[in-house]
Amino acid sequence: GAVVSQHPSWVICKSGTSVKIECRSLDFQATTMFWYRQFPKQSLMLMATSNEGSKATYEQGVEKDKFLINHASLTLSTLTVTSAHPEDSSFYICSARRGAGADTQYFGPGTRLTVL
Amino acid sequence: DAKTTQPTSMDCAEGRAANLPCNHSTISGNEYVYWYRQIHSQGPQYIIHGLKNNETNEMASLIITEDRKSSTLILPHATLRDTAVYYCIVRPPWNRDDKIIFGKGTRLHILP
Repeated sequence: GAVVSQHPSWVICKSGTSVKIECRSLDFQATTMFWYRQFPKQSLMLMATSNEGSKATYEQGVEKDKFLINHASLTLSTLTVTSAHPEDSSFYICSARRGAGADTQYFGPGTRLTVL
Repeated sequence: DAKTTQPTSMDCAEGRAANLPCNHSTISGNEYVYWYRQIHSQGPQYIIHGLKNNETNEMASLIITEDRKSSTLILPHATLRDTAVYYCIVRPPWNRDDKIIFGKGTRLHILP
């Protein structure tokens, strides 16, 4: 199947700093990428949808100025958590989809963010 | 999106077939049934999907009832590595802005 990578796999930062997480589709061009967040013992929660070359669409309750998403190419999307606080500590997962039709959405391995 | 209902948790003995049910009684005619699983501290992994016919791949089989109101994911010979949360998702054919919304899934424990 298609491969989606994330970097870093884990990060620890101090409160108030910003953290960037990269998501790459390694063997296909992703027209759409998605960012999810998952707290312990909970299901994945969709944060935003990003289409290459256009602004991301954020889900209700997700602060777009805090979670900056850039989808500059068909193989790369980045999520920047600005001025991170301990409550932003979570497991962040990206996914990518090739195109229209009954296609499949592939997920990255996730990034564990811990804010001290 | 059509809603799905799955048991919260299930146990299965190692080496036996694991049968995970999913109810999707409000599914529409063009909606697919997708299955993903998430092993602890990893991203979700695609397993299989289908529309009307039963499907099989190297990981699992998907049995969809004739009325399409329910389906069963079958892991033919479960191993300890199959312990995970399994998500059943119903989706129409992808459009540009479509997205996967995850429910709570079924937590499958494979017992040695």
